[in-house]
Amino acid sequence: GDSVTQMEGPVTLSEEAFLTINCTYTATGYPSLFWYVQYPGEGLQLLLKATKADDKGSNKGFEATYRKETTSFHLEKGSVQVSDSAAYFCALRSGANSKLTFGKGITLSVRP
Amino acid sequence: DGGITQSPKYLFRKEGQNVTLSCEQNLNHDAMYWYRQDPGQGLRLIYYSQIVNDFQKGDIAEGYSVSREKKESFPLTVTSAQKNPTAFYLCASSSPAGTGNYEQYFGPGTRLTVT
Repeated sequence: GDSVTQMEGPVTLSEEAFLTINCTYTATGYPSLFWYVQYPGEGLQLLLKATKADDKGSNKGFEATYRKETTSFHLEKGSVQVSDSAAYFCALRSGANSKLTFGKGITLSVRP
Repeated sequence: DGGITQSPKYLFRKEGQNVTLSCEQNLNHDAMYWYRQDPGQGLRLIYYSQIVNDFQKGDIAEGYSVSREKKESFPLTVTSAQKNPTAFYLCASSSPAGTGNYEQYFGPGTRLTVT
């Protein structure tokens, strides 16, 4: 079945540091890929998405590129801010079903 | 503003009682979902519904029940058969598959504590 694997956390960075959060997937066919962000005590918000190979999703300084050859969708940001402290979830959707498969998530803390 | 509402934000119940969590959306979405979130385990799908009057079990449906009598509403009942009901519950909705718009939109969640 479909699965999403995220790097282990938590991650702590200093403000303005470079961020990479790894995400790899296993799926049949050509899935759509998503990154969601969750601030403490809140629901998830869509951060960015990509629907086909080599697409790059971007939003709020975050980027992720759909790499079919490595089945990856790593999240990057060049300079993190304290306000980026949150949990980040990678997810995929494949086939005709609208269900999403989520990774376990990773918590990011950014210190001033 | 369009969105998803979940109420209440915090809910406390005694063991052995059934409890119903509310989820309402005004996004005109056909599909709705319930997830459970526990620390370190990500999101696990409980039930989902792709259309009114139809729903399917997700990965952890045991001890839960749902109904989908209206497009806008998808209430979740946590029954006394659920062994570990204390968790954060998230409701989501999306346009149906085939529309090209696959992302799910989430409500703010309900934190249920059973003692």
